[in-house]
Amino acid sequence: QVQLVESGGGVVQPGSSLRLSCAASGFTFSTFPMHWVRQTPGKGLEWVAFIAYDGTNKYNADSVKGRFTISRDNSKNTLYLQMNSLRPEDSAVYFCVKNRVTSGKDAFDVWGQGTMVTVST
Amino acid sequence: DIQMTQSPSTLSASVGDTVTITCRASQIIDRWMAWYQQKPGKAPTLLIYRASTLESGVPSRFSGSGSGTEFTLTISSLQPDDFATYFCQQYNTFSQTFGQGTTVDIK
Repeated sequence: QVQLVESGGGVVQPGSSLRLSCAASGFTFSTFPMHWVRQTPGKGLEWVAFIAYDGTNKYNADSVKGRFTISRDNSKNTLYLQMNSLRPEDSAVYFCVKNRVTSGKDAFDVWGQGTMVTVST
Repeated sequence: DIQMTQSPSTLSASVGDTVTITCRASQIIDRWMAWYQQKPGKAPTLLIYRASTLESGVPSRFSGSGSGTEFTLTISSLQPDDFATYFCQQYNTFSQTFGQGTTVDIK
């Protein structure tokens, strides 16, 4: 079945780096745009980053611009989020998310289970 | 960014009730609207996309309507499995934004 499995979350200090991974299965990963979305009890759901099916186009939310980098390895069916200069406000559950269609604007039809990131002293 | 104002934040209802949740966008988003359901400790699941198209496998008691800036999610004949939190999402722009959520709980 279609599945996304995140890993790499943890507890880190402010200013640290962390890399999240998302292993995809059950669909042709290399043909779908992918996203990262995060969720906190206070701020709710926040879109973080987008990457085109082939990695040629990427967009970040303003809140993470210059600090987070989305990437993908289609040969490994894996999505990544490199997070640098982490701040306490980056603490959240991070979800790997699949675009519903292979091109154009659309909703998110598959979500991973989420991985928790905590940034704290 | 486009702001999504979702209401109410909490809704108490009984099994069999019909409930309506509203989302208002701060700018026109045509029909680029989705609705999700989330249960505690789980990821959101897609219910409706393009404002009114039911995702495959979602029960027909869920329906969506609206365009432009005003959208609604209606759940007819509420079932025990429907007590959850619901989010709207606009995807008219790459900076997609979500509503704050509506928790439907048991009256």
